[in-house]
Amino acid sequence: DIQMTQSPSSLSASVGDRVTITCRASQSISSYLNWYQQKPGRAPKLLIYGTSTLQSGVPPRFSGSGSGTDFTLTISSLQPEDFATYSCQQSYRTPLTFGGGTKVEIK
Amino acid sequence: QVQLVESGGGVVQPGRSLRLSCAASGFIFSSYGMQWVRQAPGKGLEWVAAIWYDGSNKYYADSVKGRFTISRDNSKNTLELQMNSLTGEDTAVYYCGRHRNYIDYDEGLDVWGQGTLVTVS
Repeated sequence: DIQMTQSPSSLSASVGDRVTITCRASQSISSYLNWYQQKPGRAPKLLIYGTSTLQSGVPPRFSGSGSGTDFTLTISSLQPEDFATYSCQQSYRTPLTFGGGTKVEIK
Repeated sequence: QVQLVESGGGVVQPGRSLRLSCAASGFIFSSYGMQWVRQAPGKGLEWVAAIWYDGSNKYYADSVKGRFTISRDNSKNTLELQMNSLTGEDTAVYYCGRHRNYIDYDEGLDVWGQGTLVTVS
């Protein structure tokens, strides 16, 4: 199975900060990497698929990059509504696996 | 509007069975692959199972293989998850989700239900 490791597990940041979250796969997954945002008590929301393609309606301050085993989610200027947990998921092969999540908290 | 609504969750004793349903509306259900994803209390997301648009292919996480069965009824726009031999490790909120890429699972899930809580105790 492909293991997905996210870092950090949590971070504190201020509104306007640039935030970067990393996801590493235990083997190459090409560009089959998706990012989700989840707020407490809510279902996850797809932000980015295929490493870097923004899902419809997602603000352009979100961006994704990487390939192979190393991937990054960047929020260029953190907004109040961005405080949430972010999870990566590989969709290269089943079992489809998620990273452990990164909780973005207010500093 | 496009919507998924899960039902069937509840409290169940270890070793017993439970069947979850996911009712789809607002889109052509029979054209989309679907998945179940779960989240134990305070934990991260865990993929459970996937099924192709026509039910021809099914995939399972190792943790549920042989105990859970994913199925769909395209005539009723319904996705189901039959869960047998439940243990405390299966306690979680169970979400159904729609493949963004119609058939394949490669572009993630673009529509999610609100989730249904299963407690094994």
